Amino acid sequence: GESVGLHLPTLSVQEGDNSIINCAYSNSASDYFIWYKQESGKGPQFIIDIRSNMDKRQGQRVTVLLNKTVKHLSLQIAATQPGDSAVYFCAEKGGGSNYKLTFGKGTLLTVNP
Amino acid sequence: DTGVSQDPRHKITKRGQNVTFRCDPISEHNRLYWYRQTLGQGPEFLTYFQNEAQLEKSRLLSDRFSAERPKGSFSTLEIQRTEQGDSAMYLCASSLQGADGPQYFGPGTRLLVL
Repeated sequence: GESVGLHLPTLSVQEGDNSIINCAYSNSASDYFIWYKQESGKGPQFIIDIRSNMDKRQGQRVTVLLNKTVKHLSLQIAATQPGDSAVYFCAEKGGGSNYKLTFGKGTLLTVNP
Repeated sequence: DTGVSQDPRHKITKRGQNVTFRCDPISEHNRLYWYRQTLGQGPEFLTYFQNEAQLEKSRLLSDRFSAERPKGSFSTLEIQRTEQGDSAMYLCASSLQGADGPQYFGPGTRLLVL
């Protein structure tokens, strides 16, 4: 069936480096994508979103890139800090009035001081 | 705090017992969602409401599960005759109606069925 997946389950970076977390999706009808950060024992925290009519969106220290040709989504975190350590999930929303989100398995980001 | 709240945060119960969880969404949000998350996995959609109407239910939501949102504000999720496989984090989220926007999640209710 349709699914959202992540290429790498873990990512370890040095403090101050840039991080890139990747996500592949297979539902070509998906029209909205979200990145969430989840710390241990907490609910997912919204980071940034992007609609399918865009290919790039920037926030504070974060950038999301969407490549619809290859169905790929990435989250770039600039100047990664220890507080960025968490599991990151991409989620997709199917097109039209389908409002449920489909999540990937997640990538564990560890930032080393 | 004006975010999504959930109660209780933790619940331990014995197999066969019934449990009920409550979710209070962000006040102006009229869409409310329930998800379930097991260890090492992403959240899985269970059901969602627009105001008081339950508009979609996942196949994961067996007949032992029931969700309500009687006045279009808070919601409850009840699990009857709990099984060990029901052990998970139950997450509630809410969003505004209209153009696509993010779903904001609560802290979750961690359920352990012994």
